[in-house]
Amino acid sequence: SQQGEEDPQALSIQEGENATMNCSYKTSINNLQWYRQNSGRGLVHLILIRSNEREKHSGRLRVTLDTSKKSSSLLITASRAADTASYFCATEASSYKLIFGSGTRLLVRP
Amino acid sequence: EAQVTQNPRYLITVTGKKLTVTCSQNMNHEYMSWYRQDPGLGLRQIYYSMNVEVTDKGDVPEGYKVSRKEKRNFPLILESPSPNQTSLYFCASRGGVKEKLFFGSGTQLSVL
Repeated sequence: SQQGEEDPQALSIQEGENATMNCSYKTSINNLQWYRQNSGRGLVHLILIRSNEREKHSGRLRVTLDTSKKSSSLLITASRAADTASYFCATEASSYKLIFGSGTRLLVRP
Repeated sequence: EAQVTQNPRYLITVTGKKLTVTCSQNMNHEYMSWYRQDPGLGLRQIYYSMNVEVTDKGDVPEGYKVSRKEKRNFPLILESPSPNQTSLYFCASRGGVKEKLFFGSGTQLSVL
């Protein structure tokens, strides 16, 4: 399986600190996507990075992709309590197949 | 507003009683998919559809059926629900390959 695996499973930080989550996968991909989920709600797309890209930014989010190591990281800078959520990576290799990892639970303490 | 609408939000049923979870999207997306989410297992794909009348199995299709008679609708059918189908279900859609998914709000199903 090429399932992405997030690390750590859970992360607790103080408001204002940066949060870094990692995702590793097993096979070649076309793109990797990060999603956010607030407690039991639907996932919301955050950012998509293609296999020929190494880094992407969106607001306070920074995503990197290292295809040689088959890994990606999501950095949230200057975290806020509202960033408390679960974060999932999803990898896409063949057409129409997005495979999700089991997620990182982030708690940002006020 | 672009959205994926699932109903119901919560459903409690008994073993063997057929049920349908509806899903509708207003973005004219060709691709739609159903996932289930269980603690520690992430999201697992049940079925997906690439267009009207085109459906295919995902990773965990046993015990489920789907249909795609119209582009906007993609219902999930449990003909004889069992307790191991107790889960949080999500419908999602996207415009094409290599694009982002739009998710519904989820359906929390409990099968007693």
